[in-house]
Amino acid sequence: QKEVEQNSGPLSVPEGAIASLNCTYSDRGSQSFFWYRQYSGKSPELIMFIYSNGDKEDGRFTAQLNKASQYVSLLIRDSQPSDSATYLCAVGGGNTGFQKLVFGTGTRLLVSP
Amino acid sequence: DTGVSQDPRHKITKRGQNVTFRCDPISEHNRLYWYRQTLGQGPEFLTYFQNEAQLEKSRLLSDRFSAERPKGSFSTLEIQRTEQGDSAMYLCASSLIRLAGGDTGELFFGEGSRLTVL
Repeated sequence: QKEVEQNSGPLSVPEGAIASLNCTYSDRGSQSFFWYRQYSGKSPELIMFIYSNGDKEDGRFTAQLNKASQYVSLLIRDSQPSDSATYLCAVGGGNTGFQKLVFGTGTRLLVSP
Repeated sequence: DTGVSQDPRHKITKRGQNVTFRCDPISEHNRLYWYRQTLGQGPEFLTYFQNEAQLEKSRLLSDRFSAERPKGSFSTLEIQRTEQGDSAMYLCASSLIRLAGGDTGELFFGEGSRLTVL
């Protein structure tokens, strides 16, 4: 079982729609959760992090965490073509310790004009 | 300081040659990480330093790989006797340990060094 699982996609949404990206993790002791965006050929850039159960909003982005279900999601409202990228879910803490993050394989998002 | 910088950005080498990558972290950051990313995969942890001490190495890091951070500032990752399977993007990241508040785990990545082994 992979430690962090994501659907590889692509997830296709029209411009202006809500994109919903999902991630599950296996280490129940995980304590920190991150969403990174990666454009093709570029390095990952941090979008959001969340540590507590519930929702966390930042502009058009909302991260949702459910530790009981070992599930974290990212919602992108009013999706724009510039949001087209691969979104990486990363998990830290737990057995891996805070020292390193474990990444999923990423979900490719395509936003069509 | 504009962020984490890596050099070179691209390296093409022949199998069996040695290569070295350099990473300069964000100046106030005390932790430095190396990750490797292949096409279609997420970054995989290789090793990390706190100041000059190398605190953890992944099983992925064979004895052909060595990383150093001699003065707790920049770091180098050397790959000896390269193999075609070493072809990947090598990502460096840094973070700051907040002594009062603990480790948030937030990583800031450099642009990466892409290695192609022919």
